[in-house]
Amino acid sequence: DGGITQSPKYLFRKEGQNVTLSCEQNLNHDAMYWYRQDPGQGLRLIYYSQIVNDFQKGDIAEGYSVSREKKESFPLTVTSAQKNPTAFYLCATRTGELHHGGTEAFFGQGTRLTVV
Amino acid sequence: AQTVTQSQPEMSVQEAETVTLSCTYDTSESDYYLFWYKQPPSRQMILVIRQEAYKQQNATENRFSVNFQKAAKSFSLKISDSQLGDAAMYFCAYRHKTGANNLFFGTGTRLTVIP
Repeated sequence: DGGITQSPKYLFRKEGQNVTLSCEQNLNHDAMYWYRQDPGQGLRLIYYSQIVNDFQKGDIAEGYSVSREKKESFPLTVTSAQKNPTAFYLCATRTGELHHGGTEAFFGQGTRLTVV
Repeated sequence: AQTVTQSQPEMSVQEAETVTLSCTYDTSESDYYLFWYKQPPSRQMILVIRQEAYKQQNATENRFSVNFQKAAKSFSLKISDSQLGDAAMYFCAYRHKTGANNLFFGTGTRLTVIP
């Protein structure tokens, strides 16, 4: 089936550890995004990538890192520098403007990260 | 960053009735996209409806319609004949037409449907 796969669904991290959240897509979409969701704050952009081997910081990039070595994959690493990493993380993809106007973002099912 | 404001943290509606969720936004652009997303308890974000700013006509998708007031920068969602499955968090979102093309979200409205 075509879609976006985020794994794991739940992740527990000890303080001081780095963890990596996976996002894989088989939609052949160019752009990929990572959002963080906290209660009462909606979704905020962490990083985005519009093409392979290129990515840009979003509004809350501190303490996070990403890579885009393949079109299908956009993993997010939550480093020990992220002071409050407990949150719900959503990956999204979107086509380029030439395809159906590129208007719609598709979302994965999310990863719930908890620091223990 | 763009600002998207949803002033109703919670709303409720009787089954089969109509409810309107409010959203306002701030932008200096003349052309952009607006969206309503639904997030049920599964937390999957589902696109409900989208509107292109240059289109005068309000978008409609079955029981869902919008009232887009460009001058007032208002984008409300009307749900007609509400169903139990409509219960969810609803997020209003804005996107530039060019550039990074990421979404700017409001803080959401939790909709409860009363049987």
